[in-house]
Amino acid sequence: QVQLQESGPGLVKPSETLSLTCTVSGGSISSYYWSWIRQPPGKGLEWIGYVYHSGTTNYNPSLKSRVTISTDTSKNQFSLKVRSVTAADTAVYYCARSPPYSSGWCDYWGQGTLVTVSS
Amino acid sequence: EIVLTQSPATLSVSPGERATLSCRASQSVSSNLAWYQQKPGQPLRLLIYGAFTRATGIPARFSGSGSGTEFTLTISSLQSEDFAVYYCQQCDNWPYTFGQGTKLEIK
Repeated sequence: QVQLQESGPGLVKPSETLSLTCTVSGGSISSYYWSWIRQPPGKGLEWIGYVYHSGTTNYNPSLKSRVTISTDTSKNQFSLKVRSVTAADTAVYYCARSPPYSSGWCDYWGQGTLVTVSS
Repeated sequence: EIVLTQSPATLSVSPGERATLSCRASQSVSSNLAWYQQKPGQPLRLLIYGAFTRATGIPARFSGSGSGTEFTLTISSLQSEDFAVYYCQQCDNWPYTFGQGTKLEIK
């Protein structure tokens, strides 16, 4: 059974960089799309972006200038970096997998990790 | 960016009854729509993709319909484990977007 687990600091200071890692177990990171999606407290879900196992990426235009998603196939992990964070970046961050033939929907999700931006 | 509007925001239904959840898109998304279930402390669960295809392991009581701008998720006979929040999500246009969710609660 494929499992995804987010990890990283739960508290980040304003203007700093938010860094999260998603560790994939029970399956290879190869041949799939890997996404980061977030949900601010009391608000809806926002797709941040995705990376294909080859390294090809696609980012939400609203965040594109501040976001990097990358893979580490040797560790079966992928990661998210959001630069210059503000309180508006406070959210539960989810990592998720999409099938190899479509980035369009996610068939496996992590449980999510809350990241708070505060001094 | 395509906006998805889900209705109602909250739906109260008795166990064993049918629940019908709606999702409307601000422009056509063809059949590129998925539905998810969210329960507290659990990963989101993919229910439906391609508007009507059930994901692996999803019970037959869950069905999706619609195309273009109007979509429906139907749960034919509610079980206790079905009370949760449900989201629709479009993947026709980037950025992919989600509806605001419908909370399905026990009546």
